[in-house]
Amino acid sequence: GAVVSQHPSRVICKSGTSVKIECRSLDFQATTMFWYRQFPKQSLMLMATSNEGSKATYEQGVEKDKFLINHASLTLSTLTVTSAHPEDSSFYICSARPWGAGGETQYFGPGTRLLVL
Amino acid sequence: AQSVSQHNHHVILSEAASLELGCNYSYGGTVNLFWYVQYPGQHLQLLLKYFSGDPLVKGIKGFEAEFIKSKFSFNLRKPSVQWSDTAEYFCAVNARNTGGFKTIFGAGTRLFVKA
Repeated sequence: GAVVSQHPSRVICKSGTSVKIECRSLDFQATTMFWYRQFPKQSLMLMATSNEGSKATYEQGVEKDKFLINHASLTLSTLTVTSAHPEDSSFYICSARPWGAGGETQYFGPGTRLLVL
Repeated sequence: AQSVSQHNHHVILSEAASLELGCNYSYGGTVNLFWYVQYPGQHLQLLLKYFSGDPLVKGIKGFEAEFIKSKFSFNLRKPSVQWSDTAEYFCAVNARNTGGFKTIFGAGTRLFVKA
């Protein structure tokens, strides 16, 4: 089946530092990847849509300079949280849509828990 | 833009009780509908999905959901829950928006099944 991995699974960093989270599709090529954020006891909120080789499309209210997304290959998208602050602490989840699949298809990664001290 | 509403934030049931979790969406066009489950400490897993055809869809682990277009609803059901069904359940709607397909999730329903 389609597998999506994320690295790291957990990260703790100091306020003001930047953190990079990787999302990889392991056994398929993904033209589109999505980044979600999940606060404790809340639902997943779509942050941005990442298309290979082009700029990401950010949802309203998501700072593109704060959350840098790079989708340099068909199997890798990265989310960099720049100058992280405690309020950025959250669970970040990516999903990937296989190349050629319909718009409704996506597979989720296991998530990355970020704690900013 | 689409939105998703889940009626119950928390549900507590005893084993063998029947389950129905409500989900309503708002969107004027064609939608694809999903139910995902997130077990404690694990990542999202797809329970079932509706794209077209028979509005009653069956998923894994004995779950089913019924799409009622006139009510914009996609309720999740299970005749007899087990302790292992304790998890958080998310309804999601996928539809074409400006810029492509987008999936929006409901707030989630946390189910606790008492043994």
